[in-house]
Amino acid sequence: DAGVIQSPRHEVTEMGQEVTLRCKPISGHNSLFWYRQTMMRGLELLIYFNNNVPIDDSGMPEDRFSAKMPNASFSTLKIQPSEPRDSAVYFCASSLGPGLAGGTGELFFGEGSRLTVL
Amino acid sequence: KQEVTQIPAALSVPEGENLVLNCSFTDSAIYNLQWFRQDPGKGLTSLLLIQSSQREQTSGRLNASLDKSSGRSTLYIAASQPGDSATYLCAVRPIGYSTLTFGKGTMLLVSP
Repeated sequence: DAGVIQSPRHEVTEMGQEVTLRCKPISGHNSLFWYRQTMMRGLELLIYFNNNVPIDDSGMPEDRFSAKMPNASFSTLKIQPSEPRDSAVYFCASSLGPGLAGGTGELFFGEGSRLTVL
Repeated sequence: KQEVTQIPAALSVPEGENLVLNCSFTDSAIYNLQWFRQDPGKGLTSLLLIQSSQREQTSGRLNASLDKSSGRSTLYIAASQPGDSATYLCAVRPIGYSTLTFGKGTMLLVSP
């Protein structure tokens, strides 16, 4: 398997623009997570999906952030409008949850999308 | 609320040394614990996963142990190499939750 695939790897945009980050989880995984990493705050969970359904979005900073998972192989994280304080590396991760056949809950990360908002 | 602490925050050693990275957590009701490695500008790579019923896991020169009762895990790296230089993070999955709680990591530098 190719692992978790994220795009774009780098995004530079101006304040007020819409940003869409994309993620393809590992095939067969049933849980998908979006994280944000900054030097100041470390790794923060934004939202996670189980079987394509958002379970916990309490980490989403504000209404400017939204995430969707229309099917088991694709998810998006959208920021509209973007602000300079949104600059960070955004990671997508997936896992096969415990309780499912072969599921250990081991979490696998993508390479991340580095967002810079000017 | 589960809290995960990693000590030290940074560590510098000469090549060839055996070293131990520490991870402590406040709530022993965990489902599993996972160690990750992160290289600069890269994502997190899973190194070892220890289920709550296990005491340790080994992969090559890496050995991770888990002591739930004391709320501690250690990552042992044998015969360190410059290529081991990276940030190492531990994360615990509490029982009943699907999300992990991460420590802030230990930045390791192995000098030739």
